[in-house]
Amino acid sequence: AQSVSQHNHHVILSEAASLELGCNYSYGGTVNLFWYVQYPGQHLQLLLKYFSGDPLVKGIKGFEAEFIKSKFSFNLRKPSVQWSDTAEYFCAVWGGGNKLTFGTGTQLKVEL
Amino acid sequence: DAGVTQSPTHLIKTRGQQVTLRCSPKSGHDTVSWYQQALGQGPQFIFQYYEEEERQRGNFPDRFSGHQFPNYSSELNVNALLLGDSALYLCASTHQGSMYEQYFGPGTRLTVT
Repeated sequence: AQSVSQHNHHVILSEAASLELGCNYSYGGTVNLFWYVQYPGQHLQLLLKYFSGDPLVKGIKGFEAEFIKSKFSFNLRKPSVQWSDTAEYFCAVWGGGNKLTFGTGTQLKVEL
Repeated sequence: DAGVTQSPTHLIKTRGQQVTLRCSPKSGHDTVSWYQQALGQGPQFIFQYYEEEERQRGNFPDRFSGHQFPNYSSELNVNALLLGDSALYLCASTHQGSMYEQYFGPGTRLTVT
């Protein structure tokens, strides 16, 4: 069975600070990896995805993530956060079976 | 182009009652998945429907059932509601040709009292 761990449950940053959210997955086969974002009052939106190829993937709004196969990790990064990045971020894996398995999420609050 | 829509937005039910939630997939999509998102948790996969049949099921009891209609819309039914069923229920749609590209609806907030 596949599983996803997100280590940071709540993160508070000041505007312009750098962001890195950790994500580790457990699955022995080929995986497809995702980061989703849920802004307050809005639905889940895809931030970025990794299927294959370059392990450094870029998504919307300046976010990027790096797939490190040897560490089973897919950490999300942004060099300089903005107040509008306040949201909940979910890492997800698509491995065996036709389903997404999500982590528990990280609540990010960006202060002015 | 309308995205995934869900109804109702909010719902309050009493323990033991039954509830039906509805989902219309994004235009061009033929596969619908349902997820339960409890407070403070990530979404958990309930089941997936394609060609009007349940293709895959997560670790949920038989009280959770579903249906897909010929127009690809779907319903989630929950019988004998428990307090623990209180959650945000998300519908996601995709196309068989691009299974990983799931689009999520806004969800239905179910409160069981």
